Amino acid sequence: DAGITQSPRYKITETGRQVTLMCHQTWSHSYMFWYRQDLGHGLRLIYYSAAADITDKGEVPDGYVVSRSKTENFPLTLESATRSQTSVYFCASSESLGGGGTEAFFGQGTRLTVV
Amino acid sequence: GEDVEQSLFLSVREGDSSVINCTYTDSSSTYLYWYKQEPGAGLQLLTYIFSNMDMKQDQRLTVLLNKKDKHLSLRIADTQTGDSAIYFCAESGGGATNKLIFGTGTLLAVQP
Repeated sequence: DAGITQSPRYKITETGRQVTLMCHQTWSHSYMFWYRQDLGHGLRLIYYSAAADITDKGEVPDGYVVSRSKTENFPLTLESATRSQTSVYFCASSESLGGGGTEAFFGQGTRLTVV
Repeated sequence: GEDVEQSLFLSVREGDSSVINCTYTDSSSTYLYWYKQEPGAGLQLLTYIFSNMDMKQDQRLTVLLNKKDKHLSLRIADTQTGDSAIYFCAESGGGATNKLIFGTGTLLAVQP
């Protein structure tokens, strides 16, 4: 199916564990993004990628690691999960970084709970 | 840095007009967007406006941009219960990195 998919949809993990959230897109968009959504903060950019093997920090990168070995995949890893990382995580892809009126397409989100 | 602010909640009756407001700080923003998030789903682009425009209309949606005051609004005419969602404004084109910066989101509740 064409689109952008995230897995898992829901995840509960323990403090200190490593967890990886997966994101896959079928459009061959150059740009991919990870956001977290928290009440009162809206969406905050964690990391983004302009192409395979090119990644850059967003607004709140601490405690997260990303990689992009293939254009279609952009996994997000929490190296040692903390309770403050309990959130809903959204992956998005786009033809451009943010300008030109280009639409960013979002996945369904992953609800992560760290206990 | 860039900042985008919205009120958190708006309640309207079905059939009325809804107006969702947004203010932003980056005067060099080139494009401003409205995204809609339905319960349990990701965000979907509703509409966008280029910074040299004052208004854009698309069916029931009207976007107004006051660049002097850095104020953006989204008017939904004849609001329906299916319009109940969180609405995010976002800006891009400003600053060195040109990334999409989202507001805090406005929860629109439509009462039947």
